[in-house]
Amino acid sequence: EAAVTQSPRSKVAVTGGKVTLSCHQTNNHDYMYWYRQDTGHGLRLIHYSYVADSTEKGDIPDGYKASRPSQENFSLILELASLSQTAVYFCASSEQNYEQYFGPGTRLTVL
Amino acid sequence: GQQVQQSPASLVLQEGENAELQCNFSSTATQLQWFYQRPGGSLVSLLYNPSGTKHTGRLTSTTVTKERRSSLHISSSQITDSGTYFCAPSNTGYQNFYFGKGTSLTVIP
Repeated sequence: EAAVTQSPRSKVAVTGGKVTLSCHQTNNHDYMYWYRQDTGHGLRLIHYSYVADSTEKGDIPDGYKASRPSQENFSLILELASLSQTAVYFCASSEQNYEQYFGPGTRLTVL
Repeated sequence: GQQVQQSPASLVLQEGENAELQCNFSSTATQLQWFYQRPGGSLVSLLYNPSGTKHTGRLTSTTVTKERRSSLHISSSQITDSGTYFCAPSNTGYQNFYFGKGTSLTVIP
């Protein structure tokens, strides 16, 4: 059974609208991450969290908020979606200093 | 941060040939992971190898921490190995894995 799940798997949003991407893990990991992947590129870290009710900025946090209400759940929030945020978003979890496990990804298209 | 360079950018092999993928990074890394991604697919962790040599199946990774480089060797390539391979090192004290642009591997019959 998949240990990191994401919802929705795909979404079409309108410019200026609010988008919430959800991630759930059953690995009992402390760390969770949100990355985005643009076509033909690797992943870039948006936000991460190492404990519930706390989030940290990654390399590209502008335009994104994150929420970690519990150890298992981590959300990525786009308050005002823009065209440039069209991408595939991946959630991951890990223990500190150990390998990361990724979810299946969410394909977001902003029109 | 980290600058990660992967080479070659793309590679075409005949089934049964071996592949050697290279990864060079700009700063000391205490963690390093190799991932595999099918087109449009999720990332699959292949090897977690911050230093030394690790094997799993037909895959061998060698990371030389002091020289800031890692390699992934795929032996006896199969058509199902086709996809993109990413190297992702992480710096001391951080949990940010920096991804290269990947090596696109195509294995043909």
